Amino acid sequence: AQSVSQHNHHVILSEAASLELGCNYSYGGTVNLFWYVQYPGQHLQLLLKYFSGDPLVKGIKGFEAEFIKSKFSFNLRKPSVQWSDTAEYFCAVNADTDKLIFGTGTRLQVFP
Amino acid sequence: DTGVSQNPRHKITKRGQNVTFRCDPISEHNRLYWYRQTLGQGPEFLTYFQNEAQLEKSRLLSDRFSAERPKGSFSTLEIQRTEQGDSAMYLCASSLDRGGNQPQHFGDGTRLSIL
Repeated sequence: AQSVSQHNHHVILSEAASLELGCNYSYGGTVNLFWYVQYPGQHLQLLLKYFSGDPLVKGIKGFEAEFIKSKFSFNLRKPSVQWSDTAEYFCAVNADTDKLIFGTGTRLQVFP
Repeated sequence: DTGVSQNPRHKITKRGQNVTFRCDPISEHNRLYWYRQTLGQGPEFLTYFQNEAQLEKSRLLSDRFSAERPKGSFSTLEIQRTEQGDSAMYLCASSLDRGGNQPQHFGDGTRLSIL
């Protein structure tokens, strides 16, 4: 069965620090990969997605993620975080069907 | 883009009662999904529709749960004889099937609290 692991449950950073959130998935075939963000009191929003092609994908608000097939990873990065990036971040995958399999999420707190 | 709309936002009910939630997807989206999210967890897939056809249902879904999308537009999720363990946020998402992969757009969810 497909699964997604997010090893960082809670990350605390100061503004301007660099961010990397880990995401690993288990599935041997072709996958589509997503990062969603949930700001306090808001619904899940798509940050970026990977379907095929260039393994380095750029999303909204300066976020990017790199798909490394050999490591089954899709880590999220941002070179300089802002206070407004405080949110919960979810990695998700789908493969054979359209249903999304989500990780448990990473809570990011950014302090000014 | 009016977004995915879910009603009610919050439902409080006693154990054993039936509850029904509604989801209105983005108007041109023909795929509609239901997920459940509990505290500290990511959303968990429940079921999904393409137009009015229910294409997949999670094996974890109890027989007390039923979902419909009778006209291929809005959908309802009903839980019969609610239990404490049903307390969760119920999320609806929709997407457009263009023969390729399209991202899912989520609503604000319905929070169910069982007393």
